[in-house]
Amino acid sequence: EAGVAQSPRYKIIEKRQSVAFWCNPISGHATLYWYQQILGQGPKLLIQFQNNGVVDDSQLPKDRFSAERLKGVDSTLKIQPAKLEDSAVYLCASSLDRTGIYGYTFGSGTRLTVV
Amino acid sequence: AQRVTQPEKLLSVFKGAPVELKCNYSYSGSPELFWYVQYSRQRLQLLLRHISRESIKGFTADLNKGETSFHLKKPFAQEEDSAMYYCALSGYGNEKLTFGTGTRLTIIP
Repeated sequence: EAGVAQSPRYKIIEKRQSVAFWCNPISGHATLYWYQQILGQGPKLLIQFQNNGVVDDSQLPKDRFSAERLKGVDSTLKIQPAKLEDSAVYLCASSLDRTGIYGYTFGSGTRLTVV
Repeated sequence: AQRVTQPEKLLSVFKGAPVELKCNYSYSGSPELFWYVQYSRQRLQLLLRHISRESIKGFTADLNKGETSFHLKKPFAQEEDSAMYYCALSGYGNEKLTFGTGTRLTIIP
């Protein structure tokens, strides 16, 4: 089966610019997650979707971050405007169901550098 | 609130020696514990889940609810075990997966 696809792999932007990341989960996986991983830290959940609905976005900085999964398949995460502290790897993951008990499948991530 | 603590950022072990990566957690409900691994230039991937009580690549982990620990163990380290290891926690009815800060394991030939 195809894995979780993410693009772009790398992105360098100046602070106050906008950026968008794209994720396509494994076919049939209803649950999609966006994680932020800052250097030296573990991944931190930003938002969890179940089909096209948001399950948890409690740690998403909503003043600058937004995400959507309009048709319940692929998803886009946007940052507008970016800050220096947003420099991180943004990981997308999917799971078969919302419990995640069978484990998550992660994409290769997008490394964002804000200068 | 749920929290995962991995006290060792770095761990170096000689090839053939036993390995133990420590993980402690804090969670008020019934926990589900996982170990994820990231090899060099590869994606983060699931290594094992406590619920399945399996041994993967020679690694095992036992959930100790009394000590709130889920340490990862392997009796004889191999060079290919060098990687970044993350302990992760979710809970029944609270599916958010919380990761620890990770331990970088280096196997010395």
